[in-house]
Amino acid sequence: GAGVSQSPSNKVTEKGKDVELRCDPISGHTALYWYRQSLGQGLEFLIYFQGNSAPDKSGLPSDRFSAERTGGSVSTLTIQRTQQEDSAVYLCASSLGGPYHEQFFGPGTRLTVL
Amino acid sequence: QQQVKQSPQSLIVQKGGISIINCAYENTAFDYFPWYQQFPGKGPALLIAIRPDVSEKKEGRFTISFNKSAKQFSLHIMDSQPGDSATYFCAASNNNDMRFGAGTRLTVKP
Repeated sequence: GAGVSQSPSNKVTEKGKDVELRCDPISGHTALYWYRQSLGQGLEFLIYFQGNSAPDKSGLPSDRFSAERTGGSVSTLTIQRTQQEDSAVYLCASSLGGPYHEQFFGPGTRLTVL
Repeated sequence: QQQVKQSPQSLIVQKGGISIINCAYENTAFDYFPWYQQFPGKGPALLIAIRPDVSEKKEGRFTISFNKSAKQFSLHIMDSQPGDSATYFCAASNNNDMRFGAGTRLTVKP
């Protein structure tokens, strides 16, 4: 089947606006992750969903960031009142869950805040 | 705090040479150590992974060396090719908590 898809691929917004980024994981994958990749930087963990368990939000940088996963499938990452430092590539990954399972990454959404 | 430290930040190797990337971790609870490869405009993809019960794993030209006592592991790319030019990330995980290194941009010159 298809891999992880993300939309939009690029998003340009003005400072202070809200943005929503979407992730469609691989069908059947119970675990879903969001990461942020700033220019020349590594992957910064943001949030993790596993099945029906409460999400691990420990990586969210501020209360302007939130995410939800509806029906155990599609996930949306929302950034409110965007700031220029939010500019980055936002990557979503999914896996079968549990230890030792490969994370499959989407192509990312490049967010630019003007 | 950075739980996985990766070096070097960038690496230039001649075609046919050996590329070596090093990582160190802090959390002894980590029990799975994958390496991901990322090409420009793409998401990272799993390259090779190791568990701490072995000291080395080899897949083709790619080898992971693992030193549990030193809490270090490295990726060796033998006979490096221009097509290997990419950014490489090491990672360490415990269950579903995976932490990535900062990445190494590898350039293999023809």
